[in-house]
Amino acid sequence: GAVVSQHPSWVICKSGTSVKIECRSLDFQATTMFWYRQFPKQSLMLMATSNEGSKATYEQGVEKDKFLINHASLTLSTLTVTSAHPEDSSFYICSARDSGGRGGDTQYFGPGTRLTVL
Amino acid sequence: DAKTTQPPSMDCAEGRAANLPCNHSTISGNEYVYWYRQIHSQGPQYIIHGLKNNETNEMASLIITEDRKSSTLILPHATLRDTAVYYCIVRVWGQAGTALIFGKGTTLSVSS
Repeated sequence: GAVVSQHPSWVICKSGTSVKIECRSLDFQATTMFWYRQFPKQSLMLMATSNEGSKATYEQGVEKDKFLINHASLTLSTLTVTSAHPEDSSFYICSARDSGGRGGDTQYFGPGTRLTVL
Repeated sequence: DAKTTQPPSMDCAEGRAANLPCNHSTISGNEYVYWYRQIHSQGPQYIIHGLKNNETNEMASLIITEDRKSSTLILPHATLRDTAVYYCIVRVWGQAGTALIFGKGTTLSVSS
């Protein structure tokens, strides 16, 4: 299947700082990427949809000024958690939609980024 | 997207077939059935998808009932590494901006 990478795989930061997470589709181009958040023992929750070259669409209850998303190329989307607080500690997972070729209309997921805010 | 219903947990002995059911009684004609799994602390892994015909790949088989209201994911020879949460999701094909929405899934525990 197609490969999606995330960097970093884990990060620990102090409260009030900003953290950037990168999501890359390694062997396909993705016009659409998605960002999810997962708290312990819960399922994945969709945060936002990122479209290359345009503004992201945020799910209800997700603060767009706090979670900045940039999708500047067909292979890279970034999520920046601004002024992070302990309640932002979570597992952040990105996904890229492979709209062509082998996978058809399939979403492939990155390995996730564990964010801990102290 | 149509909702799905899965049992919260299942057990399976190593080497045996694991049959994971999913009900999607409100599925519409243009919605596909997707299966993903998530091993602890990793991102979800795509397994298989189908519309109405049974599908098989190197990981699993997908059996969809004729009325498409339910499906079964079959792992033919489960191993300990198949222990994971399995998600059944229905979604319209080709909707560029539509993300997969995850329910609670089935936690499959494979034991020796």
